[in-house]
Amino acid sequence: GAVVSQHPSRVICKSGTSVKIECRSLDFQATTMFWYRQFPKKSLMLMATSNEGSKATYEQGVEKDKFLINHASLTLSTLTVTSAHPEDSSFYICSARGTSGANVLTFGAGSRLTVL
Amino acid sequence: TQLLEQSPQFLSIQEGENLTVYCNSSSVFSSLQWYRQEPGEGPVLLVTVVTGGEVKKLKRLTFQFGDARKDSSLHITAAQPGDTGLYLCAGGEGYQKVTFGTGTKLQVIP
Repeated sequence: GAVVSQHPSRVICKSGTSVKIECRSLDFQATTMFWYRQFPKKSLMLMATSNEGSKATYEQGVEKDKFLINHASLTLSTLTVTSAHPEDSSFYICSARGTSGANVLTFGAGSRLTVL
Repeated sequence: TQLLEQSPQFLSIQEGENLTVYCNSSSVFSSLQWYRQEPGEGPVLLVTVVTGGEVKKLKRLTFQFGDARKDSSLHITAAQPGDTGLYLCAGGEGYQKVTFGTGTKLQVIP
């Protein structure tokens, strides 16, 4: 079945630094990838939609200069949290939709970001 | 903005009991998925329903899509500790983004 790999699974960084999280589709091509943020015991909040070869579409209230998304190939999307602050600490999850057209998402295992 | 409300928010039951989780919206969805998520992991797809009135069974789990494709339910029979997790419904409209429900945290006590 479809597999999405997310890396790193955990990252701790100092305030003011930038952190990059990768999302890879391992056995399929993903024309669209989604980035979510999840707070403890809460549902997933969509941050942005990443389309291969074009600019990401950000949800209302999400700072595009803060959360940089790049989808340079059909198998890789990256989320960079720039100038991270403690309030950016969260669980970030990506998902990918394949080229079959079915509206089914495959999720990565998530990345736990802790900003000190 | 499409909203999906799940109820109950939290559920703690004894092993062997039955339970139902509801997912409701005022919007119509072309498809609806149910996911289960364990702490520190990404959501794992349980089922996709696409036809109004559709019922799907996955072992002890029964999923139903409302006739109007605005709501869905998940029924678990004889719950087991391994069913513990966060259950999320998610509605899709065509190839647009998928909207997640508010989530139901289930705890099954041995």
